[in-house]
Amino acid sequence: EPEVTQTPSHQVTQMGQEVILRCVPISNHLYFYWYRQILGQKVEFLVSFYNNEISEKSEIFDDQFSVERPDGSNFTLKIRSTKLEDSAMYFCASSPGGGLAGYNEQFFGPGTRLTVL
Amino acid sequence: AQSVSQHNHHVILSEAASLELGCNYSYGGTVNLFWYVQYPGQHLQLLLKYFSGDPLVKGIKGFEAEFIKSKFSFNLRKPSVQWSDTAEYFCAVNGASSASKIIFGSGTRLSIRP
Repeated sequence: EPEVTQTPSHQVTQMGQEVILRCVPISNHLYFYWYRQILGQKVEFLVSFYNNEISEKSEIFDDQFSVERPDGSNFTLKIRSTKLEDSAMYFCASSPGGGLAGYNEQFFGPGTRLTVL
Repeated sequence: AQSVSQHNHHVILSEAASLELGCNYSYGGTVNLFWYVQYPGQHLQLLLKYFSGDPLVKGIKGFEAEFIKSKFSFNLRKPSVQWSDTAEYFCAVNGASSASKIIFGSGTRLSIRP
């Protein structure tokens, strides 16, 4: 069964450094998402991406964040200058889209745990 | 405002007890509803989903949930829990008409005493 994959599984970085989290969505899916979960808290939406542009973003997704689909298979989240409060589990998800029931299910990857020291 | 409320933060049960976790949502329009489970140290897994049709949906591992539109609720149930059900459970909602963002509840931690 196709699945969303994410690399690395764990990333440790120093405050102020740039990090890139990588995701490979399910082939033929059209919508891509990033969510994050700070330890002990709920999962929060960051950004959605469709047709090579951001379709929606949350207030968390400020100028230090960016997303890209560089090669038609990868979907990346870049944090330009990491802060301590960016430490969280970051989940990528993809959806087939299409507007019909069943096409709005989002399939989640296993997550990347980001630790900012 | 769009939101999901899970009223139970931590539920402790003995094995074989019945389970019901409450979930209420606030969302304009037609919705999709989900329950996700997160076992300790693991990632999110979809337990069950409601898109349309029969409001009583059955998921994996013997879980079921009932969508009551008039109450904006989607409670999760299991008639007899096992120790292996120890996990965090998240209720979630998104709009049915497009591939919109999923809004998660704050989660319910379920602890099962062996």
